[in-house]
Amino acid sequence: GQQVMQIPQYQHVQEGEDFTTYCNSSTTLSNIQWYKQRPGGHPVFLIQLVKSGEVKKQKRLTFQFGEAKKNSSLHITATQTTDVGTYFCAGPEKLVFGKGTKLTVNP
Amino acid sequence: GAGVSQTPSNKVTEKGKYVELRCDPISGHTALYWYRQSLGQGPEFLIYFQGTGAADDSGLPNDRFFAVRPEGSVSTLKIQRTERGDSAVYLCASSDGGSSYEQYFGPGTRLTVT
Repeated sequence: GQQVMQIPQYQHVQEGEDFTTYCNSSTTLSNIQWYKQRPGGHPVFLIQLVKSGEVKKQKRLTFQFGEAKKNSSLHITATQTTDVGTYFCAGPEKLVFGKGTKLTVNP
Repeated sequence: GAGVSQTPSNKVTEKGKYVELRCDPISGHTALYWYRQSLGQGPEFLIYFQGTGAADDSGLPNDRFFAVRPEGSVSTLKIQRTERGDSAVYLCASSDGGSSYEQYFGPGTRLTVT
């Protein structure tokens, strides 16, 4: 079945540094979704990417969907302490989640 | 407006007991999902309802797990003969379409089996 893998598993940055997490699928995805889960919280939808090569921005967050629709990335520019949490990508089939990248930010 | 709610927020039960976890989706959302999440892992799919019917229950780990959604809104996840390995946070999510639509998650029920 579909598998979604994320790297890195953990990332610790100084406030103001950039952060990127990568998501790779074993199969072509019709779409990919990104979620953020704060410590002790539940996943919150960030964005859905559908088109090959699509790039979407939300303030300091940039999301990309690969040309082959098998990989995706989330890049955060100039991290802030409010960015702390675990970022998950999820494929469409049964919303298969990756293991997530846990981001910690040192103020 | 009201989001997805789940009750109870915490449940501690003894090994071998039966538990029911409830999910109240956003009003009007036709799709409802159950996941479970262990510490340090992503949510693991259990079952998906479209309306009243289970469209996909392939994620249920074994026949001790069962879920219903009799009127197409509230859903109950039922676990029989609980085992310590069932301890996890059980998340419910709803959306207004299939899996290609944004899913709204509830706060989860933390189940601890002692």
